[in-house]
Amino acid sequence: NAGVMQNPRHLVRRRGQEARLRCSPMKGHSHVYWYRQLPEEGLKFMVYLQKENIIDESGMPKERFSAEFPKEGPSILRIQQVVRGDSAAYFCASSAGQLFSYEQYFGPGTRLTVT
Amino acid sequence: AQTVTQSQPEMSVQEAETVTLSCTYDTSESNYYLFWYKQPPSRQMILVIRQEAYKQQNATENRFSVNFQKAAKSFSLKISDSQLGDTAMYFCAFMKHGGGGADGLTFGKGTHLIIQP
Repeated sequence: NAGVMQNPRHLVRRRGQEARLRCSPMKGHSHVYWYRQLPEEGLKFMVYLQKENIIDESGMPKERFSAEFPKEGPSILRIQQVVRGDSAAYFCASSAGQLFSYEQYFGPGTRLTVT
Repeated sequence: AQTVTQSQPEMSVQEAETVTLSCTYDTSESNYYLFWYKQPPSRQMILVIRQEAYKQQNATENRFSVNFQKAAKSFSLKISDSQLGDTAMYFCAFMKHGGGGADGLTFGKGTHLIIQP
């Protein structure tokens, strides 16, 4: 399966813990996007990365959230000291490059629940 | 900044009927893309159809077609011969063209479409 992979699919964290969400892009894709979907809402753009570089993080909350896409391995979205308001579905998408941003392929999402 | 508005939170039609979902958007960009995504209960985001703003011809994909009115900033989705498997959330989305900045999609809040047997 050469599609976008996300894990875990479901993640439960207590308030104050850290959450790490992983995204492996489609084979041959070097650009990754993270989106958050709150209940009853559409997806909201968070951050856009290429390997070893953050291109745009204008949608990321200023505190507690960070993202990386190392040279080797998956992209990681990290949420420190989670709060109940972080409960949401987090989706990543990948594309073959910035010029191909119009072709974003989505993963199945990670549903984060903060108790 | 761009905004996307879907004014129909929920719609319900009978199987085999035709249904139209509405979407309006606001942007100062002249070159952009518009999309309709489907999100079934599995929550997987599936691209239904894409329209480039510079193209006057409306995009079609089998039973799915759009009515793109650039001047009115309107982008509706028509589903013909609706099927039970079309039941899902449908999201309209916008992306500006050309890179060099936020290449993320801007989504509307969605329309929950229910196809009744």
